[in-house]
Amino acid sequence: EPEVTQTPSHQVTQMGQEVILRCVPISNHLYFYWYRQILGQKVEFLVSFYNNEISEKSEIFDDQFSVERPDGSNFTLKIRSTKLEDSAMYFCASSDRNTGELFFGEGSRLTVL
Amino acid sequence: AQSVTQLGSHVSVSEGALVLLRCNYSSSVPPYLFWYVQYPNQGLQLLLKYTTGATLVKGINGFEAEFKKSETSFHLTKPSAHMSDAAEYFCAVRHWNTGNQFYFGTGTSLTVIP
Repeated sequence: EPEVTQTPSHQVTQMGQEVILRCVPISNHLYFYWYRQILGQKVEFLVSFYNNEISEKSEIFDDQFSVERPDGSNFTLKIRSTKLEDSAMYFCASSDRNTGELFFGEGSRLTVL
Repeated sequence: AQSVTQLGSHVSVSEGALVLLRCNYSSSVPPYLFWYVQYPNQGLQLLLKYTTGATLVKGINGFEAEFKKSETSFHLTKPSAHMSDAAEYFCAVRHWNTGNQFYFGTGTSLTVIP
């Protein structure tokens, strides 16, 4: 069964360092998303991406964040200068249409020290 | 704006008892509705969804949910809880006029007591 894959599963970084989280969405999907979940809290929307551009972003997704689809398969989230409060589980998701369900990856746990 | 409310951040039931997890949404037009489950240290897995048609939808693992427009609700139920149902459950909504966003509720942690 097709699935969304994310790497790394866990990354520990120092405050101020750049981090890139990688995702391989399901191959025929056209809509891509990043969500985050701070430990014990709700799942928060970060950004959606369609047709090679950001379609929506939340207030959380400030200038420190960027997304890219560098080739036909990967979808990346970059945090330029990490802060302690960026520590969270980051979920990538994809969808084949804008009314369908999202298919989530297993998540990448980011720990900022 | 869309919002989703899940009443009860923690629900405990005995094994074999009815599971009822509540979800209400606020929207002027009925959205698409979803329930996801998150097992410990895992990602989000779709349990079931309502888009159009029959208002009672059945999902995986014996769960079902009923869309009630008059009550703006989409409560999740299962007749008989299993130990393996212990997890975090998230209700989510999506509508064409909010673009591609999914709005998640705050989640309900289900504990099943042997």
